[in-house]
Amino acid sequence: DGGITQSPKYLFRKEGQNVTLSCEQNLNHDAMYWYRQDPGQGLRLIYYSQIVNDFQKGDIAEGYSVSREKKESFPLTVTSAQKNPTAFYLCASSTPPGELFFGEGSRLTVL
Amino acid sequence: DQQVKQNSPSLSVQEGRISILNCDYTNSMFDYFLWYKKYPAEGPTFLISISSIKDKNEDGRFTVFLNKSAKHLSLHIVPSQPGDSAVYFCAARASNYKLTFGKGTLLTVNP
Repeated sequence: DGGITQSPKYLFRKEGQNVTLSCEQNLNHDAMYWYRQDPGQGLRLIYYSQIVNDFQKGDIAEGYSVSREKKESFPLTVTSAQKNPTAFYLCASSTPPGELFFGEGSRLTVL
Repeated sequence: DQQVKQNSPSLSVQEGRISILNCDYTNSMFDYFLWYKKYPAEGPTFLISISSIKDKNEDGRFTVFLNKSAKHLSLHIVPSQPGDSAVYFCAARASNYKLTFGKGTLLTVNP
């Protein structure tokens, strides 16, 4: 079954800790994306990658880091530098110029 | 600066009637527009799209209209069903394949 898998679905973090959210896709898509959703804010782009070993900052990249060592994987690290990390994080993939396919999301809560 | 605007945070409609969700954009470089549907705690799912060379695209109960001169698009759902109740996001794409999302409109279809 083709799709995008995000893990964990729920994650709790203490202030000052880095956490990594996993995103794996078996759709053979070239491009992958990370979005953040906050209430009333819609979806905002954090980072995107159009090809392996290359990625670009989105609109709200500060406090986040990514890597794209494999076509199937695009993990997102939320660092301690991110001031308001509590949010719903969405990973997506596509074969441009087609539409994005989204994972089920990961909810991060900072305690 | 919001490039994609959904000015109605919510919309309530009776079952069987038409739902009209609106979206305005400011960037004239956008060439492709999409609508996504999202349930709470899930990833968005692609609904329908339209290229800037068209003014209408239809898929079953869903029709998207594009007015390029007004930089406006709308999603019509006819007839509306209770299962259509969700948040609907308008998104627009420029040549770099990044998608910019609006803040969403919560549609409630009452039985």
